[in-house]
Amino acid sequence: SYELTQPPSVSVSPGQTASITCSGDRLGDKYACWYQQKPGQSPVLVIYQDTKRPSGIPERFSGSNSGNTATLTISGTQALDEADYYCQAWASSNVLFGGGTKLTVL
Amino acid sequence: EVQLVQSGAEVKKPGESLKISCKGSGYSFTSYWIGWVRQMPGKGLEWMGIIYPGDSDTRYSPSFQGQVTISADKSISTAYLQWSSLKASDTAMYYCARHDSFLEKGGFDTGYQPAYWGQGTLVTVSS
Repeated sequence: SYELTQPPSVSVSPGQTASITCSGDRLGDKYACWYQQKPGQSPVLVIYQDTKRPSGIPERFSGSNSGNTATLTISGTQALDEADYYCQAWASSNVLFGGGTKLTVL
Repeated sequence: EVQLVQSGAEVKKPGESLKISCKGSGYSFTSYWIGWVRQMPGKGLEWMGIIYPGDSDTRYSPSFQGQVTISADKSISTAYLQWSSLKASDTAMYYCARHDSFLEKGGFDTGYQPAYWGQGTLVTVSS
């Protein structure tokens, strides 16, 4: 079955760029999206169809997807960006999520 | 504004039945797939399945097929997730989400992604 793999954790200093990866077999042939989930809150879509930002999502969030890897990039990371991030793709007629990455801003 | 409002937290015993709900507003309820996502304590997101309220077409993740029932009542813009016999392992937060459709790369098939989420319903199953 198809799987999406994310690093369990990523750390970044405030103001720096954070990159979170999501790997899957020929993931670049599919659309990837990303969700942000803060403690005690519902997930929020931050990137869809690889690179698009929903209304209200800051421009510092961007995405890319090529080959076997999709990447969420947060430029000028702020303390309020500390959260769990999940990638997601549609594969084998199912919504599949990656295992999630905890982003720590320190 | 799209809103999904879920029913409140539940505490149940193993073997009991349960039906939780998700009421949609701010959009045409019959025109979008709506589904459910499980999050066990301290764990990640797991997709359970979706339903198209317009015609009740339903699709389940293989992991949840036969374990739960997804339904919808379009007359009141509400989707449901139902268990006939709960287990302790069903203890989790359950989110409903409106799914948006898109044309997959290559242009042949339609894919779906959760776009708008409810606030979650915590289900606790304990003897």
